[in-house]
Amino acid sequence: AQSVTQPDIHITVSEGASLELRCNYSYGATPYLFWYVQSPGQGLQLLLKYFSGDTLVQGIKGFEAEFKRSQSSFNLRKPSVHWSDAAEYFCAVAESGGYNKLIFGAGTRLAVHP
Amino acid sequence: DAGVIQSPRHEVTEMGQEVTLRCKPISGHDYLFWYRQTMMRGLELLIYFNNNVPIDDSGMPEDRFSAKMPNASFSTLKIQPSEPRDSAVYFCASSSDRDYGYTFGSGTRLTVV
Repeated sequence: AQSVTQPDIHITVSEGASLELRCNYSYGATPYLFWYVQSPGQGLQLLLKYFSGDTLVQGIKGFEAEFKRSQSSFNLRKPSVHWSDAAEYFCAVAESGGYNKLIFGAGTRLAVHP
Repeated sequence: DAGVIQSPRHEVTEMGQEVTLRCKPISGHDYLFWYRQTMMRGLELLIYFNNNVPIDDSGMPEDRFSAKMPNASFSTLKIQPSEPRDSAVYFCASSSDRDYGYTFGSGTRLTVV
């Protein structure tokens, strides 16, 4: 069965610094990959998604992610973090052809220091 | 579009009571998902529907949990009887063949005392 690992539970960065959140997946075929963000007390908002094609995908709020098949990774990046980016970030994987049965990682909580 | 709408936002109930959570998906979306989020277990898929038909309910924890989708614009998740360990945030999400990536509601925070 597919699974998602987010190795970092908490990350703290300074405002203006670059950010990379790690995500590793386990799935035999080409996965559908997603990153979501959850602010306190809110639902999850889709940041970006990868299905096929260009392995570098752009999302909302200045985020991007790169799919690396050889490393089974889909890391999320942002060149300059803003205080409003403090939230919890979830990586997720679905079966190819499936946006059904989305499996989520445990999440990474991001804190931003001024 | 108003997005996925869940009600109530917060629910506090006593152990043994019946709890009903409600969800209105985005119009035109033919997939609906119920998730539960806890600190210990993270986000768990409980059940999902396609065209109002339950497809996979393997995540439903016990027979105390049931979900229905009587039409394309409404779904319920019922817990009867409720227990303190059911305390969690319950999310509904919807999706479609043309709109990859789920849209989540704001969730219902359930507290069973």
